[in-house]
Amino acid sequence: NAGVMQNPRHLVRRRGQEARLRCSPMKGHSHVYWYRQLPEEGLKFMVYLQKENIIDESGMPKERFSAEFPKEGPSILRIQQVVRGDSAAYFCASSPPGTGNYNEQFFGPGTRLTVL
Amino acid sequence: KNQVEQSPQSLIILEGKNCTLQCNYTVSPFSNLRWYKQDTGRGPVSLTIMTFSENTKSNGRYTATLDADTKQSSLHITASQLSDSASYICVVRQANTGNQFYFGTGTSLTVIP
Repeated sequence: NAGVMQNPRHLVRRRGQEARLRCSPMKGHSHVYWYRQLPEEGLKFMVYLQKENIIDESGMPKERFSAEFPKEGPSILRIQQVVRGDSAAYFCASSPPGTGNYNEQFFGPGTRLTVL
Repeated sequence: KNQVEQSPQSLIILEGKNCTLQCNYTVSPFSNLRWYKQDTGRGPVSLTIMTFSENTKSNGRYTATLDADTKQSSLHITASQLSDSASYICVVRQANTGNQFYFGTGTSLTVIP
């Protein structure tokens, strides 16, 4: 059972370009979370999705950022018109169905976005 | 304001020694608390998870404690190894909000020979 997969692992974009980050959850997991980690800072929650639904996007910037988790395929975090401040590590985590207390999140290796 | 604070920010210890990392939180209502280990360049990996009623939980050389009254947790590492060098992150899940998690900024541990 493969773990959470993220690609690309490293992404370089120039200011104004679009960045697309992909996350394939563990098999059987229907919950996906996206986090951003700035250098020397902790992970910050961005968005929580279930298949075809955004459950909580309270941590997502209102502009330029969007996320989706289609019925088929990986979850996508899309950043339009990137700026230097978007440079960070973006982590995806997945968890199985249900919201029990021991519902653990499994993290992917992250995508490191560098905006030139 | 819901917050998770960890101390110390960084720690250097000799191989074989023990250490204790601290986590204080103000997240309410409380659901559970998790400790993660994050190696450089990798995603966090879960070490322990504790609910309100659990005071202590062990995972090998890692022992976590939780005092839900004072909203404090600690992670004790016994007989440290070089491979323990990593960032240790305390994460608190908020109850009744679906799946809202609050992350501490982590303690960077370096084990030297």
